[in-house]
Amino acid sequence: GQSLEQPSEVTAVEGAIVQINCTYQTSGFYGLSWYQQHDGGAPTFLSYNALDGLEETGRFSSFLSRSDSYGYLLLQELQMKDSASYFCARGKATDSWGKLQFGAGTQVVVTP
Amino acid sequence: DAGVTQSPTHLIKTRGQQVTLRCSPKSGHDTVSWYQQALGQGPQFIFQYYEEEERQRGNFPDRFSGHQFPNYSSELNVNALLLGDSALYLCASSRGGGNEQFFGPGTRLTVL
Repeated sequence: GQSLEQPSEVTAVEGAIVQINCTYQTSGFYGLSWYQQHDGGAPTFLSYNALDGLEETGRFSSFLSRSDSYGYLLLQELQMKDSASYFCARGKATDSWGKLQFGAGTQVVVTP
Repeated sequence: DAGVTQSPTHLIKTRGQQVTLRCSPKSGHDTVSWYQQALGQGPQFIFQYYEEEERQRGNFPDRFSGHQFPNYSSELNVNALLLGDSALYLCASSRGGGNEQFFGPGTRLTVL
């Protein structure tokens, strides 16, 4: 089964805030990344958290709590162009050379 | 600065055939990873190449093989194609296996 769990779909209106949660299995955890993928496009890197806390990059922020095996991606001031799939991904401590394990993705639908 | 490029864009094969997909990493990157992405799913790690050697491998059969050339470009070969091999094949590059991976646009493989 999936070692990363995230909701399958989230719908919100323009200007709103969306939080996408991701829980993961702790065995050999190294860090949590977030990727965005538009339909027909390539995944693009958004953020990476190795330590607990919040990382902010413009309208997007990512949070990690290692003790809770939990992270989230926060999308603020939603725009239509933010409609995409968002994936959390983990690398294992014993495989720190970029072997990423992805969740199934969260489809974010932004409505006018 | 060219990003990650992949060829071909689309490919149609029949069961039992063999296919070769190609990837050129982003300039300055030395590590190439390959992923398989089925429709509606997250990318699944196939393997990773660094210094012309396979460094990491996911849970894929030996029908999937690869190669990395001295210029860091890479090939993915799949033998004895099955219907279930139909997917988007993504190549990602990074520097030294770092956690930020840059993805190419992918090759859409259809097996009939």
